[in-house]
Amino acid sequence: EDKVVQSPLSLVVHEGDTVTLNCSYEVTNFRSLLWYKQEKKAPTFLFMLTSSGIEKKSGRLSSILDKKELFSILNITATQTGDSAIYLCSPGGGTSYGKLTFGQGTILTVHP
Amino acid sequence: GAGVSQSPRYKVTKRGQDVTLRCDPISSHATLYWYQQALGQGPEFLTYFNYEAQPDKSGLPSDRFSAERPEGSISTLTIQRTEQRDSAMYRCASRRGDNTGELFFGEGSRLTVL
Repeated sequence: EDKVVQSPLSLVVHEGDTVTLNCSYEVTNFRSLLWYKQEKKAPTFLFMLTSSGIEKKSGRLSSILDKKELFSILNITATQTGDSAIYLCSPGGGTSYGKLTFGQGTILTVHP
Repeated sequence: GAGVSQSPRYKVTKRGQDVTLRCDPISSHATLYWYQQALGQGPEFLTYFNYEAQPDKSGLPSDRFSAERPEGSISTLTIQRTEQRDSAMYRCASRRGDNTGELFFGEGSRLTVL
């Protein structure tokens, strides 16, 4: 049975703070891990990570994968109120992915 | 279509009634997923389809839940004899193909069972 655990479950910070969100996983025949941001509507794609140790960046967001220790982190620097959202990770595996599960999510609240 | 479309966006029903939710995925996407999401939590897997085939329905909570995708495009999720605990957001997502795990989500159908 695949497992995905995110931590912390919630986080409250002030604008300008840096946050680190964690995702640990156990997936059969792992292929990639994806991060999503969910605001009021649907989850939207942030990053897809397939290789260990290679950081992906998009503006103030960055993410890295450790396939040996089976975890990923998502960093957000200089947080803004617009970063307030639920952040979801989803590891995928198998020859054609198939069933895709999500962690419980981290609820990030950024105060002005 | 250009994006994943779900209907209805909101559904209020009385306990014991049947409801059917609809998902129209991105037209080029072979794989379609259904998730149940409680407020403030991550999506919980229900089932998925590759075209019309349904390889995994292990997440359906009970035999009151069923899904189909008869022509490999539009899918429906039916909940029979609804119960209050079925109240949730039901999300549909589609995926391009075997080489990517990226999902494209619809805006969801919020079901409230009174």
